[in-house]
Amino acid sequence: DQQVKQNSPSLSVQEGRISILNCDYTNSMFDYFLWYKKYPAEGPTFLISISSIKDKNEDGRFTVFLNKSAKHLSLHIVPSQPGDSAVYFCASWGTDKLIFGTGTRLQVFP
Amino acid sequence: GAGVSQSPSNKVTEKGKDVELRCDPISGHTALYWYRQSLGQGLEFLIYFQGNSAPDKSGLPSDRFSAERTGGSVSTLTIQRTQQEDSAVYLCASSLTGTLRKAEAFFGQGTRLTVV
Repeated sequence: DQQVKQNSPSLSVQEGRISILNCDYTNSMFDYFLWYKKYPAEGPTFLISISSIKDKNEDGRFTVFLNKSAKHLSLHIVPSQPGDSAVYFCASWGTDKLIFGTGTRLQVFP
Repeated sequence: GAGVSQSPSNKVTEKGKDVELRCDPISGHTALYWYRQSLGQGLEFLIYFQGNSAPDKSGLPSDRFSAERTGGSVSTLTIQRTQQEDSAVYLCASSLTGTLRKAEAFFGQGTRLTVV
């Protein structure tokens, strides 16, 4: 059972535009969510997180929104840059481990 | 060290051989995790250590897989009698205390294992 789901395997966005990556979760007990970015041949790097007591967290060009009633979160990147091209993973802390989605490959083109 | 270090970065082994993968976590991080990413797949949890004990081994795919952690620091993941389906990138991560602090986990660069 996939407790964290990223239903879009890929996304292509023009440079300067907004990128919106979506994530859904099934477990209402999840209360802390993270986004990671992964380049080829590198480990995932932490990007931004949000606690369930908030509905928005912003860090520079990156904003994460959380809709608890819909069990949905999204990552907004604006403006998108070619260096943002990577695979983005949504994750939540389970009982004792991070549970990851399957990832969304973002490509930002000029 | 400054970050999570994994070795080797690449490993090619023959089917049936045993392999050992090493992870050196960030100093002071008590929680350590092993994940793997098969081609085109997401991050699959394998095992979690808190200190030297492994309260959650639920992700180990078979009894050919084992892991240990000594001194609350370095961890080794051992795969015995490797099979081709074991080919993947094996990722190690560490965090301060696991879920209690709701902190981020930091990943190493991974070990790419290829079983031929």
